[in-house]
Amino acid sequence: NAGVTQTPKFQVLKTGQSMTLQCAQDMNHEYMSWYRQDPGMGLRLIHYSVGAGITDQGEVPNGYNVSRSTTEDFPLRLLSAAPSQTSVYFCASSRDRAGAGELFFGEGSRLTVL
Amino acid sequence: TQLLEQSPQFLSIQEGENLTVYCNSSSVFSSLQWYRQEPGEGPVLLVTVVTGGEVKKLKRLTFQFGDARKDSSLHITAAQPGDTGLYLCAGATPNRDDKIIFGKGTRLHILP
Repeated sequence: NAGVTQTPKFQVLKTGQSMTLQCAQDMNHEYMSWYRQDPGMGLRLIHYSVGAGITDQGEVPNGYNVSRSTTEDFPLRLLSAAPSQTSVYFCASSRDRAGAGELFFGEGSRLTVL
Repeated sequence: TQLLEQSPQFLSIQEGENLTVYCNSSSVFSSLQWYRQEPGEGPVLLVTVVTGGEVKKLKRLTFQFGDARKDSSLHITAAQPGDTGLYLCAGATPNRDDKIIFGKGTRLHILP
C-alpha cells in the first residue's frame, strides 16, 4: 500500500530558486494538508485542502503556494526559496474533512536552502 | 501564541517508571488527537478523544480528555525503551474544524 507519497525526500536549493514538493495519495481522501517541522516547533500547518479545487491557508502560509486540481495530488510550491524555509515538510491526508479524522502522513521531504 | 501547549518538552526516565505528558489550551476543542513520531518518519495516530472526560487505553498508554475539552493527558505505565519518541497532540481549531494544528511535542527518552 502506497498511502501518502512525497517526493523528493531530500533537496538543496539556493536562495531565490523555485521548486515544487510533490504529494500524492492513493486512498481517495478528500482532505490533504502540508506541514513544516522545525526543531522545537512541532508541526505547523502551511496550507490545506478539503477537496479538489478548494485550498485554504494554515498557520504559516507566506512564501508557499498550493493547488488541488485532482483528489490525489497536492503539490506545494516555493516560488523564491529563502533560508528560513529550511525545514522538513510533511504532507498528510484524511478521509474526513473535519478534525476528528485520522491524518496519514508521508515520510517527509527535507529541504535545505543555502 | 501556541494554541496547544505541551509539557514537558523533554523527558528522560528509566525503564519501568511511569510518566504523564500534558496538552493544554485555553480554547475548547471538539476533539483532540495524540500522535507518535519516530526519527525519519511521519507521525502516526495513537488515539482520538472526543467526549469531555473520556478515557481511552492503549496497552500501557492511558489518554484522558478534560471535562471542559480544553486539555488532555497521556499517561504511560512502566515505560519501555520502545516508547521512546516524539509525542504530539493535535486538534481542529475552535473556529474552523477543518484546520488541524499541533502542539510543539514532548520528546520522550526511555533509558534501558
